[in-house]
Amino acid sequence: AQSVTQLDSQVPVFEEAPVELRCNYSSSVSVYLFWYVQYPNQGLQLLLKYLSGSTLVESINGFEAEFNKSQTSFHLRKPSVHISDTAEYFCAVKETGGFKTIFGAGTRLFVKA
Amino acid sequence: GAGVSQSPSNKVTEKGKDVELRCDPISGHTALYWYRQSLGQGLEFLIYFQGNSAPDKSGLPSDRFSAERTGGSVSTLTIQRTQQEDSAVYLCASSARLDSTDTQYFGPGTRLTVL
Repeated sequence: AQSVTQLDSQVPVFEEAPVELRCNYSSSVSVYLFWYVQYPNQGLQLLLKYLSGSTLVESINGFEAEFNKSQTSFHLRKPSVHISDTAEYFCAVKETGGFKTIFGAGTRLFVKA
Repeated sequence: GAGVSQSPSNKVTEKGKDVELRCDPISGHTALYWYRQSLGQGLEFLIYFQGNSAPDKSGLPSDRFSAERTGGSVSTLTIQRTQQEDSAVYLCASSARLDSTDTQYFGPGTRLTVL
């Protein structure tokens, strides 16, 4: 069985500062990894995903995440955040070939002016 | 095109009553998923459909929960004899095909409150 741990429930940060949202997973089989974002009063949407190939994946709005197999981590980073990045971020894992997505508890990112 | 829609957006019910939650997936999407999001917790996977078939129902929390999908489109999640611990946001998602790499598109959710 897989599990996902998001180490920080809330991360407050000032605008234009860098941020890292941590995610660790546990699985006995190979997995795909995802970050989803939920903006205030909006539905959950995919931010980025790692399926195979390059371990560094990027989103269109400047976020990136790196798959680290040895540390079983998939931390999300952004070098300079904006007010509009305020949202809840969920890390998720899915067994390759499987259909059940396991989500972490979420990290609430709050960007302050 | 239109995204995933869910109804009602909010539902308040009394303990012991039955409720039905509806999900309309994106047109043409063959796979459909139900999740539950309780306060302060991540999303809990409940069930998935490939077409009208649900091969694995082990994620449903109890036998009070059931789900069906008809015509390969609309799905309903039914909770019988609701309990206070059923209070949560119930999310539905769909994907073009049942494939572990495929992107899931989520609906806005139904917030269920059991008094």
